[in-house]
Order: sequence, then structure tokens, then C-alpha cells
Amino acid sequence: DQQVKQNSPSLSVQEGRISILNCDYTNSMFDYFLWYKKYPAEGPTFLISISSIKDKNEDGRFTVFLNKSAKHLSLHIVPSQPGDSAVYFCAASGDNAGNMLTFGGGTRLMVKP
Amino acid sequence: NAGVTQTPKFQVLKTGQSMTLQCAQDMNHEYMSWYRQDPGMGLRLIHYSVGAGITDQGEVPNGYNVSRSTTEDFPLRLLSAAPSQTSVYFCASRSGLASYLYFGPGTRLTVT
Repeated sequence: DQQVKQNSPSLSVQEGRISILNCDYTNSMFDYFLWYKKYPAEGPTFLISISSIKDKNEDGRFTVFLNKSAKHLSLHIVPSQPGDSAVYFCAASGDNAGNMLTFGGGTRLMVKP
Repeated sequence: NAGVTQTPKFQVLKTGQSMTLQCAQDMNHEYMSWYRQDPGMGLRLIHYSVGAGITDQGEVPNGYNVSRSTTEDFPLRLLSAAPSQTSVYFCASRSGLASYLYFGPGTRLTVT
């Protein structure tokens, strides 16, 4: 059973609008969460992270929100740009050293010009 | 810095063949790991290493061996390939202080 789930395999958004990507988790031991972005034929690249002691973290156009009681996190991209079109993975870590990351299945975001 | 490099980029194997996927990093990172990516499954951890001489199993270790004789290299060995090992394999590393991974470009493996 997947401990980290991204229930939307794909999302299409108009350029300039907000993109909201969602992620749910089941393991209450997870205390650190990350988002990665992946272009075709490339490895994933780190985008933004959040610790369980926070409920929001911002980095430019990217904001991650964490709702611990609902075991839910979301990534907001505002405004969306065509270059944001990629697959986005959320990941979670629960061991102190962060040695084992659990990834969701990914959401393909398409930003239309 | 080349970052994390992986070879080969593509490989086709027959069932039962063996091969080694190579991974190297030039960032002096202590931690290295191998993931496989399958459609809808995200990335799953195969093995990881926290330093030379130290390896441990991840979520899906069966059918794979690793060793870490140097800080730079972390090869992944398939002793007897099976069609279920058809996947894209990513190597990743991070320093002890970093919270996130640097990934290589991946190796696409097909086992027939």
C-alpha cells in the first residue's frame, strides 16, 4: 500500500493561472516533505521542502502547504508558466537521518500558453 | 562539477543476464542511493549508502546488489535480470548536511 499518494495523474492549467498539486500520506511518522520536478529524459530536481513544524513554506512562485491533521500537502505555483510543464513528485521522510524517502506516483502538469 | 553521472543511458538485457549500472558523483557526498521509477509507482528506494563501506537496503532490494568502496562510486548490480526489473534507474546523492537529493540523469533498462 502506497504511503504517499498523488491522486491526480495529470493537471492542465492556463499560463498565468495558479497550479495546485496535491499529495496525501498515511504514515504519521513522516516529518519532512519535499517536492521534486522532473523533465523527460532527466533526473528529478529538488523544488521545495517543508518540515512538519511548519504549515507553509514559500520560494518565489512556489509555495508548499502542509496540513498535518489531514495528512495532506499541496504545492501552489503562481503564476504558472509553460516551462513549469513537467512531472511533479512529492516525497516524505520519517527517519531522523532522512536516509529513506518515500515518493508519490507523480502528477504531470501541463501549462498551456 | 559533473554532479551525478550514470552509465549507460540505455540497456537491453535478456532474462538471466547480469550487468552493473554505474553511478559516480564528484561532490564528495557521503550519502548515495539507487531508485527505480515505474509508471504510477513514483520512485522506490532500492539500496543506499551513508559512506564508503556502508550499505543498507531500501524498499525494493531483492534482485540487486550494491557496494561502496569509494566515496565517489556506487554501482548497482543485477545478478540475474528478470523482466520485472525493466524500469528507469536513478542514482542520487546528498551531503550529510543537505536535506535533498541530487539525481543523475537515469538509466533506462529493458529486460526481455
